[in-house]
Amino acid sequence: GQQLNQSPQSMFIQEGEDVSMNCTSSSIFNTWLWYKQDPGEGPVLLIALYKAGELTSNGRLTAQFGITRKDSFLNISASIPSDVGIYFCAGQQAGTASKLTFGTGTRLQVTL
Amino acid sequence: DAEITQSPRHKITETGRQVTLACHQTWNHNNMFWYRQDLGHGLRLIHYSYGVQDTNKGEVSDGYSVSRSNTEDLPLTLESAASSQTSVYFCASSGRGSSSYNEQFFGPGTRLTVL
Repeated sequence: GQQLNQSPQSMFIQEGEDVSMNCTSSSIFNTWLWYKQDPGEGPVLLIALYKAGELTSNGRLTAQFGITRKDSFLNISASIPSDVGIYFCAGQQAGTASKLTFGTGTRLQVTL
Repeated sequence: DAEITQSPRHKITETGRQVTLACHQTWNHNNMFWYRQDLGHGLRLIHYSYGVQDTNKGEVSDGYSVSRSNTEDLPLTLESAASSQTSVYFCASSGRGSSSYNEQFFGPGTRLTVL
C-alpha cells in the first residue's frame, strides 16, 4: 500500500532548537494530519489541516498544508525534552471516505 | 470524557490459536479502524467499518476478521495466529462533523506476541 514519505527519518537536536520535518507524496490529499507517538502509547493527534496553504498552530507546533496539496510541513519551536517521540503525518485522499495514509515517521530525540 | 480503550494491553499466545482483541469507544463515532504497527512498515490498515454491520478489508487483512454489532465496539479476531502476526495493534475511530470526520483518535494499543 501507499505510504507518505517523511523526512528526516530521525533527528537529534539540542533543547531550545527549532525543528522542521516534512511529508511528501506523488498524490493529492484533501486533509493532512500530524500525530505524535510516545513509546508504548498510541498516536495522539496534534494538528489537522483542511485547505491548501493553510497554516495552523498548536502551542509551539506549527503545520502547513502545501500549496500543491502533495505535501505538508511541521515545525516545532524551542524544543523541550518532552518533544521526544515519533511524529507521523497522515493524509486523506478524495474518494477514500475517511481512510488515512500514514507516513513512515520522524523520530525526534532532544539532548539537554 | 469520551475515550477509546483496547484490551488486553499485552497478549502472548501460541501458533494456531484463535485470538480476539477488543476495541471500545465512547465517542459515538461511526468509523472504526484496526492497524498494525511494525518496525519499517509504519501503520498498516487491517480492517475498517463505517457503521453497524459494515466491515471492509484493508491492505493487510489476510488472517484477520472483524464484526460490528454495535456502534461502540469493533473486535479484531485472528482466526489461527501465526508468528508473522506478532505486532502492536492499534484501534482508531473517527466521527461525523464537517471538519472532524477524518480525524482519527487512537487507542493505547495491544502488544501481541505469537510463539
